[in-house]
Amino acid sequence: EPEVTQTPSHQVTQMGQEVILRCVPISNHLYFYWYRQILGQKVEFLVSFYNNEISEKSEIFDDQFSVERPDGSNFTLKIRSTKLEDSAMYFCASRETTHTQYFGPGTRLTVL
Amino acid sequence: DAKTTQPPSMDCAEGRAANLPCNHSTISGNEYVYWYRQIHSQGPQYIIHGLKNNETNEMASLIITEDRKSSTLILPHATLRDTAVYYCIVRPESPRGGKLIFGQGTELSVKP
Repeated sequence: EPEVTQTPSHQVTQMGQEVILRCVPISNHLYFYWYRQILGQKVEFLVSFYNNEISEKSEIFDDQFSVERPDGSNFTLKIRSTKLEDSAMYFCASRETTHTQYFGPGTRLTVL
Repeated sequence: DAKTTQPPSMDCAEGRAANLPCNHSTISGNEYVYWYRQIHSQGPQYIIHGLKNNETNEMASLIITEDRKSSTLILPHATLRDTAVYYCIVRPESPRGGKLIFGQGTELSVKP
């Protein structure tokens, strides 16, 4: 069964450093999403992406964040200058034209 | 903000049916009811969704009241591996967007 994959599973970085989180969505999917979950809190929407542009973003998704689909398979989330409060699980999700989103296993980002 | 209300926690005996309620009294005519679950800090896992008819798949059944203001997710024979946080989410079918707004969910504990 096809699934969303994410790398790395755990990323540790120093405050102020740039990080790139990578996702490989399910191959025939067209809509892509990033969510995050701070430890002990609920899953929060960050951004949705379709047809090579952002369709919607939340207040959390400020200028420090960017997304890209650099090729036909990868979908990335970049945080330009990480802060302590960016420490969280980051989940990628994708869907085809039908509406069910499928989530990846997540990347745990730890900012020191 | 989440437009659903769920009990924060429930217990269920292994092998018995788990019935998880959800109130969505402000649901609109074009909004679907989705159920996801999250085991520990893994990525949310899709379970089932419906608009107004009851639905069943290999994982669960979804019963939606006639007025669509509430629904129940049924796990017919709960196992220990069904211990997770279960999220009830309502969202419209949007061709471009489609973000999921997660609440706190119901923490289901399946006990031997």
